[in-house]
Amino acid sequence: KAGVTQTPRYLIKTRGQQVTLSCSPISGHRSVSWYQQTPGQGLQFLFEYFSETQRNKGNFPGRFSGRQFSNSRSEMNVSTLELGDSALYLCASSFEKDSEQYFGPGTRLTVT
Amino acid sequence: KQEVTQIPAALSVPEGENLVLNCSFTDSAIYNLQWFRQDPGKGLTSLLLIQSSQREQTSGRLNASLDKSSGRSTLYIAASQPGDSATYLCAVPASSGSARQLTFGSGTQLTVLP
Repeated sequence: KAGVTQTPRYLIKTRGQQVTLSCSPISGHRSVSWYQQTPGQGLQFLFEYFSETQRNKGNFPGRFSGRQFSNSRSEMNVSTLELGDSALYLCASSFEKDSEQYFGPGTRLTVT
Repeated sequence: KQEVTQIPAALSVPEGENLVLNCSFTDSAIYNLQWFRQDPGKGLTSLLLIQSSQREQTSGRLNASLDKSSGRSTLYIAASQPGDSATYLCAVPASSGSARQLTFGSGTQLTVLP
């Protein structure tokens, strides 16, 4: 079974631009969650999608948004990029509520 | 609000030693607890998932225990190897919201010396 895949793996953007990251969950998994990892703040929850609906959202500004498609693939978008948005963005998928979460390799975003 | 603490922040041991990593959480009403491994610049690899009704889980040289009442979990690594060098993270679902909203500890950076 293929694991969680994320594209692109690396991205360099300029302040003020916007970016879209993609995540394909493990086949059969309907839940996709997104996390931001930085050296200073560690791993922080961004949002979770389940069956195309946002179920939960972390404490991030509205510049961070996401969506999920009918095939469970998910995208997250960050608008008006700031230097502080530089981070490793990880997505995770799981089958149901109490089940194990599986993470992708992440997208390394650098904002200059 | 759920808070997760991991001690120690860093650990260096010679190859072959048995070691214990600690994780504590403030809200004991958890669905489960998950231990992950992260290699530098990489994603997270799930090691063990312990459901709230379980006391421990084992996978190979790894054994994780869970004591909900005291808000603690330990990850025991037997006969450590240089390939075990990585950052180990524990995570529990947030106090409110979805069980899939994980709160992570800051991790223990493990170095196993050959």
